Amino acid sequence: DIVMTQTPSSQAVSAGEKVTMSCKSSQSLLYSENKKNYLAWYQQKPGQSPKLLISWASTRESGVPDRFIGSGSGTDFTLTISSVQAEDLAVYYCEQYYDTPPTFGGGTKLELK
Amino acid sequence: QVQLKESGPGLVQPSQTLSLTCTVSGLSLTSNSVSWIRQPPGKGLEWMGVIWSNGGTDYNSAIKSRLSISRDTSKSQVFLKMNSLQTEDTAMYFCANTPGDFDYWGQGVMVTVSS
Repeated sequence: DIVMTQTPSSQAVSAGEKVTMSCKSSQSLLYSENKKNYLAWYQQKPGQSPKLLISWASTRESGVPDRFIGSGSGTDFTLTISSVQAEDLAVYYCEQYYDTPPTFGGGTKLELK
Repeated sequence: QVQLKESGPGLVQPSQTLSLTCTVSGLSLTSNSVSWIRQPPGKGLEWMGVIWSNGGTDYNSAIKSRLSISRDTSKSQVFLKMNSLQTEDTAMYFCANTPGDFDYWGQGVMVTVSS
């Protein structure tokens, strides 16, 4: 199975701050034939189901604010929130769908400083 | 509008079988695949298995011997059955549309394994 490692596990932030979080995979998620990275990011708020934010490592889902930016390729990926808002406090998970079983990282929890 | 909704018992006794239903609206099960994903309290997400649009299935090897996923396309329902439940199976259980990633999720159903 592909192992997904997220860092940090938690991060204290202030509103307006730029935030970056990392996701590393144990093998490349880049499929050579279509040059796509099979990596997604999800946001989960307390008591809610996860919400898909970004697919293919950098493609925002419809309605997702443009302050959420996904980047990276191969085995190293980053989710950046350019200016954190109060409503962004949540746990963020990365997930690979390059191979079965799909696997998730352990999550990065954004908390208020 | 795509919706998925899980239903099932909130409490299951140890060693018993869990049966859950995911009722889907706004998409066809013959064109879409649906996964089951679970999340123990305070912990991360674990993919359990998928039923593909062609009716085939794949399961997480860690629980494959205990798990079965099926569907009724006429009722737009996907079923999960897992036997020999233990306390470590206590979790929120979600179903999710699976085009590759998981783009639509149900609200989840909390299952507690306890006597």
